[in-house]
Amino acid sequence: DAGVTQSPTHLIKTRGQQVTLRCSPKSGHDTVSWYQQALGQGPQFIFQYYEEEERQRGNFPDRFSGHQFPNYSSELNVNALLLGDSALYLCASSLKGDTEAFFGQGTRLTVV
Amino acid sequence: QKEVEQDPGPLSVPEGAIVSLNCTYSNSAFQYFMWYRQYSRKGPELLMYTYSSGNKEDGRFTAQVDKSSKYISLFIRDSQPSDSATYLCAMSYTGRRALTFGSGTRLQVQP
Repeated sequence: DAGVTQSPTHLIKTRGQQVTLRCSPKSGHDTVSWYQQALGQGPQFIFQYYEEEERQRGNFPDRFSGHQFPNYSSELNVNALLLGDSALYLCASSLKGDTEAFFGQGTRLTVV
Repeated sequence: QKEVEQDPGPLSVPEGAIVSLNCTYSNSAFQYFMWYRQYSRKGPELLMYTYSSGNKEDGRFTAQVDKSSKYISLFIRDSQPSDSATYLCAMSYTGRRALTFGSGTRLQVQP
């Protein structure tokens, strides 16, 4: 049973560039949430997708956008990257928006 | 003030000790409480998931929720060096899709 998978594992981008991160949910799950985790901090909620729609959004600017595909996989896009966007980006999946969420290994983004 | 407070540690204990990890919260609406374990540079792993008040046990782990005090705990019995990690508490309530996390407590179990 495949868990939550994220790609890529690491990437380095230049300030002002755009980045796309990808997530495949755990088998049987239909809901994907994205979190940002700065070093030494707990994850912060970015948004959640269910039935291909954004259902709830945290306190993040419009530079952060997402998409969910019919197979439940999801993408997180960040435009106009800032140095402060450097963090571990985590994808979590659940069933029908249930609070019991399972996380992937994360994508470590470094903005230089 | 943060909604969820967690002592960052580090907490250092000898192998075999009983470990107590705690979080306090301010939002009385929270109903669902979770503990995650996160190894360095990895994603969080769900350890315990509880609803409302009470205790839940799973192997060496026991989760306690005291909603009247807005206080949750995770106990680890017979701690092992492999338990060395950061432990994150998280919570939510019906209708709120986001999890609110504490900042994590770093635990070191010395062999």
